[in-house]
Amino acid sequence: DAKTTQPPSMDCAEGRAANLPCNHSTISGNEYVYWYRQIHSQGPQYIIHGLKNNETNEMASLIITEDRKSSTLILPHATLRDTAVYYCIVPGGYALNFGKGTSLLVTP
Amino acid sequence: GAGVSQTPSNKVTEKGKYVELRCDPISGHTALYWYRQSLGQGPEFLIYFQGTGAADDSGLPNDRFFAVRPEGSVSTLKIQRTERGDSAVYLCASSFQPTGSSGNEQFFGPGTRLTVL
Repeated sequence: DAKTTQPPSMDCAEGRAANLPCNHSTISGNEYVYWYRQIHSQGPQYIIHGLKNNETNEMASLIITEDRKSSTLILPHATLRDTAVYYCIVPGGYALNFGKGTSLLVTP
Repeated sequence: GAGVSQTPSNKVTEKGKYVELRCDPISGHTALYWYRQSLGQGPEFLIYFQGTGAADDSGLPNDRFFAVRPEGSVSTLKIQRTERGDSAVYLCASSFQPTGSSGNEQFFGPGTRLTVL
């Protein structure tokens, strides 16, 4: 698996955009970037994934740099329910290596 | 549609007992995964099934742990002679095809919280 680096914690005001960065400088050409989040006491929730192009769905947007060595997950209008641990994962195979993730706190 | 379901949601057992944890994947998903999450840690991979066969069981901590998926759908994780250190949340996930270069996302169940007294 390509190693990923995320800040341990971030804060965001409710209603503002939350931008969560991830470095994955050792990613190889055919490896996807996945984002999951885990709200306390729940199973991990799939958010979005991408290979080269930027992606958007109903939950978030994923911006991948042209060299693919980093990415940013964007929650456009954060709500209190977005408070969770966010994991950026680059699986070399089928197993997801969650690491420690970024603990996002959305404040009123 | 129905997501991944796991039963029981909570299981309390005594040291030395045998437990079974069940996972019902999303219908049509060929790949199934088990993970374990200890308090304060991210989930850790245990075993992966493609169809009925265990394609990779390298994450199982020791031979007290075993998992089956006899008909390629429901899976059971079995733990013999439980120890207090086995206490954790056991998570199951499934995907349409194996994750990796195929770009198939894994969908997780709510987990089973196992407590060994």
